[in-house]
Amino acid sequence: ELKVEQNPLFLSMQEGKNYTIYCNYSTTSDRLYWYRQDPGKSLESLFVLLSNGAVKQEGRLMASLDTKARLSTLHITAAVHDLSATYFCAGTQGGSEKLVFGKGTKLTVNP
Amino acid sequence: DTGVSQDPRHKITKRGQNVTFRCDPISEHNRLYWYRQTLGQGPEFLTYFQNEAQLEKSRLLSDRFSAERPKGSFSTLEIQRTEQGDSAMYLCASSLDPVNEQFFGPGTRLTVL
Repeated sequence: ELKVEQNPLFLSMQEGKNYTIYCNYSTTSDRLYWYRQDPGKSLESLFVLLSNGAVKQEGRLMASLDTKARLSTLHITAAVHDLSATYFCAGTQGGSEKLVFGKGTKLTVNP
Repeated sequence: DTGVSQDPRHKITKRGQNVTFRCDPISEHNRLYWYRQTLGQGPEFLTYFQNEAQLEKSRLLSDRFSAERPKGSFSTLEIQRTEQGDSAMYLCASSLDPVNEQFFGPGTRLTVL
């Protein structure tokens, strides 16, 4: 059964700094997704990574996938306060369409 | 595109009561998913539909839980004889195909007293 682990679970960083959130998964995952959730809100889709070596970028966020290492990363460049949120990665397995989520990384960007 | 909508947004009930939630997916999406999220955790899958067919159910979905999507459009999730452990955010999502992202609704927050 697919297990998804994120680290760190909590991240406090200063504006302008760079950092990476890691998402490890236990078995082969068909696809890897990143979502953002603001407090009290629902989930907003950020990236869908479909194959080994996939890299996607949107603004200050860049996601990548290494299926051999069973690792996805979400890199934050020159953080700004508006990026403060909880970030989830999720995978799928064995043809199932259900998303298996990690516990999330709560990011706080301080001025 | 009005997005995924859910009703009600909040529900407070007493233990032992039945509750029903509704989800309206994005109109052209044939896939609809239910998840449950507790505080500090990621969402956990409950069940999903392709059109009106319920194709997968989680072991989390006990006999007290039932979901329907009778005409392949909106879906309902019913919880019978609610327990305090059922308190959570119930999220609905929809997608056009199995590969691309699932779009989530605002959720229904259930509190069981």
